[in-house]
Amino acid sequence: DVKVTQSSRYLVKRTGEKVFLECVQDMDHENMFWYRQDPGLGLRLIYFSYDVKMKEKGDIPEGYSVSREKKERFSLILESASTNQTSMYLCASRPPWASNQPQHFGDGTRLSIL
Amino acid sequence: DQQVKQNSPSLSVQEGRISILNCDYTNSMFDYFLWYKKYPAEGPTFLISISSIKDKNEDGRFTVFLNKSAKHLSLHIVPSQPGDSAVYFCAASEGRGSTLGRLYFGRGTQLTVWP
Repeated sequence: DVKVTQSSRYLVKRTGEKVFLECVQDMDHENMFWYRQDPGLGLRLIYFSYDVKMKEKGDIPEGYSVSREKKERFSLILESASTNQTSMYLCASRPPWASNQPQHFGDGTRLSIL
Repeated sequence: DQQVKQNSPSLSVQEGRISILNCDYTNSMFDYFLWYKKYPAEGPTFLISISSIKDKNEDGRFTVFLNKSAKHLSLHIVPSQPGDSAVYFCAASEGRGSTLGRLYFGRGTQLTVWP
């Protein structure tokens, strides 16, 4: 089974802090994704990566950056946290070699910005 | 503009009956469709998928139907069980052979199955 691990289940930070969310997958997947989930808005894509050091903006990249230094690890960075970034953050991964493969998700990080 | 739409935010069904969750899409390039199930405080779990070359796919109690001309898909759960109570997300991707694997998600439907 694919294992996608997010470093924290719950996190509380203060406005203006730099926040790091970590995600690790154990299946040698090339493609990794960061989403946020908010009530009534579904899953919105923040950033994704299709290879080490490669990244693509999703639909809501403002206020975020990402880092992919190793294939198994994809980090989401909140440069200067704001209260509107309080959300559930979800990481996912997927192999690229087959066109029809589902993404596999971690359990999420519930982030609160005070 | 949302390319995948789930117009019913909630659905309530009695245990043992059929649950039908609906999803519409606007992008005719979508060729792979998925349903995910999500419990509170957990990540989404892949449930079932369908390729655009098919119009039906079954897996146990779950069946997904695809109507390409109407750009509509539905998930049928028969019989519904209380443990099926969760948020269900419809998702789609485009470009057969694409390696990026980007998914477009609907906003979800909260299914409640009552005894």
